[in-house]
Amino acid sequence: AQSVTQPDIHITVSEGASLELRCNYSYGATPYLFWYVQSPGQGLQLLLKYFSGDTLVQGIKGFEAEFKRSQSSFNLRKPSVHWSDAAEYFCASFKAAGNKLTFGGGTRVLVKP
Amino acid sequence: DAGVIQSPRHEVTEMGQEVTLRCKPISGHNSLFWYRQTMMRGLELLIYFNNNVPIDDSGMPEDRFSAKMPNASFSTLKIQPSEPRDSAVYFCASRNQQGKNTEAFFGQGTRLTVV
Repeated sequence: AQSVTQPDIHITVSEGASLELRCNYSYGATPYLFWYVQSPGQGLQLLLKYFSGDTLVQGIKGFEAEFKRSQSSFNLRKPSVHWSDAAEYFCASFKAAGNKLTFGGGTRVLVKP
Repeated sequence: DAGVIQSPRHEVTEMGQEVTLRCKPISGHNSLFWYRQTMMRGLELLIYFNNNVPIDDSGMPEDRFSAKMPNASFSTLKIQPSEPRDSAVYFCASRNQQGKNTEAFFGQGTRLTVV
């Protein structure tokens, strides 16, 4: 079965420090992969997406993610976080041939001044 | 485009009452998804439609839940009768499945409280 795992439930990071959020998927072939962000009381906003090609993907708000087939991972990174990056982040995937969008459990990011 | 529109934004109802949540997908999108979000279970896919046809409803928790998509511009999620454990935020999302490299767009959600 297709699944997405985010091992970290909470991460606290200091403003200006780097951030990396982990995501692992379980699916034999290459899935379509996404990172969404959710601010409190809001819907989900797409940060970036990977379908094929270059394994390093650039997104909005200074985020990037790298697809690593050998590790079944699609980790999200930001070199220097801002207080406004405090939110919950979700990794999600489609099977390449399908349309069922499955989400990981989310990682809540807290930013310390 | 106004994006995915959900109504109402907030709903408070008494246990046993019928609740109907509504969604208008983005024009031209042919896939529609209903999700439920709770602290305990995260984001759960309840059901999704392609071209107005339900494809996978395995996430619908029980028979009290039903979803319809009578046309390409409207979908409903109904809970009858509602129970306190149905309290959650319900999201609708749509996608242009026929487009290349397309993502799902989410509405703002409906916060349902069953008392």
